[in-house]
Amino acid sequence: AQKVTQAQTEISVVEKEDVTLDCVYETRDTTYYLFWYKQPPSGELVFLIRRNSFDEQNEISGRYSWNFQKSTSSFNFTITASQVVDSAVYFCALSERGADKLIFGTGTRLQVFP
Amino acid sequence: DTAVSQTPKYLVTQMGNDKSIKCEQNLGHDTMYWYKQDSKKFLKIMFSYNNKELIINETVPNRFSPKSPDKAHLNLHINSLELGDSAVYFCASSQVSRSSLETQYFGPGTRLLVL
Repeated sequence: AQKVTQAQTEISVVEKEDVTLDCVYETRDTTYYLFWYKQPPSGELVFLIRRNSFDEQNEISGRYSWNFQKSTSSFNFTITASQVVDSAVYFCALSERGADKLIFGTGTRLQVFP
Repeated sequence: DTAVSQTPKYLVTQMGNDKSIKCEQNLGHDTMYWYKQDSKKFLKIMFSYNNKELIINETVPNRFSPKSPDKAHLNLHINSLELGDSAVYFCASSQVSRSSLETQYFGPGTRLLVL
């Protein structure tokens, strides 16, 4: 069965701190996709990254970086030098090939204080 | 320029009423979805349509009926609204192929409040 666990319900940091959001997934499939979405206070869901199970390379995009480790079934997200605008709920999601749907984690609320 | 749009953005209605939410995408995608986000922010798939054909129906009550007049539109009609239907409903779209799952892009959400 597919499952995504985001154990951190809420994280609070002060601006310029680095923060890592954890995501652990379960799947029986060998081909699957992992995603991160951001939901700011305005409510929309913003796509951040998509990764397939065959690509374990870490990715960096500006202050954002992602660490994918199949050995621990984790896909963690790090924000470097956090800013107030990073305050949002972040969702990790999983989809198996052919399943055509996203299974979301419960989200982590990040609050960045000035 | 909006990729996935939904109307209305807010919907307040009485129990027992029937209401519809509309979704349109201009990304040229062939697959569209409805997700429900409850008060605890939990997101769950409800339906997906591929080229106007229903693909996923995740044990949603019969009071919910999606309709796809063409592959750019997916509407959600809800009959006999109940208090528990209060939630945010998100439409999404993606291009699906046999070899991969492409990214799903979401609309802004419709906040439904049933009184």
